[in-house]
Parts: sequence; structure tokens; C-alpha cells
Amino acid sequence: AQSVTQLDSHVSVSEGTPVLLRCNYSSSYSPSLFWYVQHPNKGLQLLLKYTSAATLVKGINGFEAEFKKSETSFHLTKPSAHMSDAAEYFCVVRRFSGGYNKLIFGAGTRLAVHP
Amino acid sequence: DGGITQSPKYLFRKEGQNVTLSCEQNLNHDAMYWYRQDPGQGLRLIYYSQIVNDFQKGDIAEGYSVSREKKESFPLTVTSAQKNPTAFYLCASSLTAPGVDVLTFGAGSRLTVL
Repeated sequence: AQSVTQLDSHVSVSEGTPVLLRCNYSSSYSPSLFWYVQHPNKGLQLLLKYTSAATLVKGINGFEAEFKKSETSFHLTKPSAHMSDAAEYFCVVRRFSGGYNKLIFGAGTRLAVHP
Repeated sequence: DGGITQSPKYLFRKEGQNVTLSCEQNLNHDAMYWYRQDPGQGLRLIYYSQIVNDFQKGDIAEGYSVSREKKESFPLTVTSAQKNPTAFYLCASSLTAPGVDVLTFGAGSRLTVL
């Protein structure tokens, strides 16, 4: 069965320093993977999506993620954090079941950005 | 602008009362979903609907009910049978074409049971 594990529940960085949010997945076949971001009391917004076309996926707001099959990882990175990046981030894997694309969400990583 | 509107944003309920959360979309999406979000647990699927007049239970459907009478609308009723209803509820929608799996989310409704 497909699942995702976000390795850190909280990450804190200083503004201007790199961001690394870690995600490991389990899947019996080549997965579709996503990162979503949620700002406080808001809905979720898609950051980026991996569908096997390229292992390095670029998303919005300068974020990118690299699919590493050998490590079953899909970590999210950004070279330089901005205060507006403070939010909760969810790693998601797609499972196709019963004719329906079901999304399995990780528990989330809360990113804090300090001046 | 196209999007998903959830209302109310905040809702308070006494124990034993049913409440209905509204979700309306103008994206012409066929599929709609309800998720529940609790701190530290990510999102869990309550119900989903791929077409009008049809819906399926998700992982945590007990104590909830839905209807899909119109393509644009997918209201969720939290019944008194739901033992722990205090949570943040998110509605989402998507196209149902093969390979399409990106969801658009509403801003959410926060339900608190007093």
C-alpha cells in the first residue's frame, strides 16, 4: 500500500538560508507524488507534482523537489527562505483504487522562518 | 475568478446538534471531496463524489453524510453520531479525466463543539 512519511513535524530556519523538508514514500509501483502548502487557516495549494517525466521537479515560489527512487524519497528544497514561506507543508502520494485517484497525505511539516 | 467557496468559515455547535457545511465550486469540476484535518494527522478523506447523484465513503465516513444534487455543490452534514467533530474541514474538487489528480481546495471551515 502507498504511504508517505514526513520525517520532521517542525523545521525552523533563518530568512535567507536553505530549506529542506524531508519526505519518504512507499509504493509498489512508480508513484505520483505531490507537495502542497497550507498557510494558517487556509486551504491547500499545490507546490509541485512528480509524474516520472523528470526526477527534479520545479514548483512555484522557488521550491523544487527531487525524486530518488533508490532512497524512496521526495524531499522539498528552496535555496533561500523568505518570511512568506512560513506555513505547513504536506507530502502526498496518489493511490489509484476503485476507479478513483485517492491522495494519501503525510502528517505535515510546519516551517517557521525567523528574521 | 473560478474557485471553491466554503461556508461558514467558523461554526460552533452544541453536542447533539447536526450541522451542515457548504461547499460550492464554479470550476466545472466533476469530482468533489471532503477532508478532515486534525493537528499532526494530515488530511483524512471523509467522502468523495465523482459525478452528480453519486458519492462514496472515504476513510472516516462514520458520523457524516453528504449529497450531490448539483455539479457545483457538495454539502457535508456533521451528525450527532460523530463522536469528535471538532476539526478543520476542507472541501476540494478536481477534473476526472484520466491522469488528472490535482486538487483545488477551498479555504476551509473550522467546527468547534462546545
